[in-house]
Amino acid sequence: AQTVTQSQPEMSVQEAETVTLSCTYDTSESDYYLFWYKQPPSRQMILVIRQEAYKQQNATENRFSVNFQKAAKSFSLKISDSQLGDAAMYFCAYRSRDDMRFGAGTRLTVKP
Amino acid sequence: GEEVAQTPKHLVRGEGQKAKLYCAPIKGHSYVFWYQQVLKNEFKFLISFQNENVFDETGMPKERFSAKCLPNSPCSLEIQATKLEDSAVYFCASSPAQTGGYTFGSGTRLTVV
Repeated sequence: AQTVTQSQPEMSVQEAETVTLSCTYDTSESDYYLFWYKQPPSRQMILVIRQEAYKQQNATENRFSVNFQKAAKSFSLKISDSQLGDAAMYFCAYRSRDDMRFGAGTRLTVKP
Repeated sequence: GEEVAQTPKHLVRGEGQKAKLYCAPIKGHSYVFWYQQVLKNEFKFLISFQNENVFDETGMPKERFSAKCLPNSPCSLEIQATKLEDSAVYFCASSPAQTGGYTFGSGTRLTVV
């Protein structure tokens, strides 16, 4: 089974600052997708950003961007200009044709 | 619709009782997934469907858990004889293809007392 590792159980950032959440994964597949999901206290899972493995360009969605290093199997999420509403659990996820796995999550706190 | 609809939002069952959860995937999405999220936040994969066929059931505790996705009906996840450790939030998700992202439902919080 593929594994997804988020090595930071908790992270904290000052409002308006930038924070990077780490994610590494293990796979022997060449065709797969990577995702970051946000889970606020409401428990709703919200897709933040996605990256297709075949694309070299890093995905960007407004204040959210990724640093995808395929050879290193690394997929970090950068949140710029952090806002109080960004406070949540963030899950990194990997999906291939036969498998989807989630990391253990990183709890992000945003300080005013 | 454009959302994955899960019902009920909350369910309380006495230990040993049956629990049944429902999920209506987004129209046109062929794949349905069930996950269990316990208090530690870890997502445990239970089962997936491709249309009404089981695609992957490697995560299912088969002795008490069962699931179905029948045509023209919401998908269901049933737990016979619930145990305290079944208390969790159960998420359903759907996707249009075998790869790509999921859309999650809002979850059903099951509390076994």
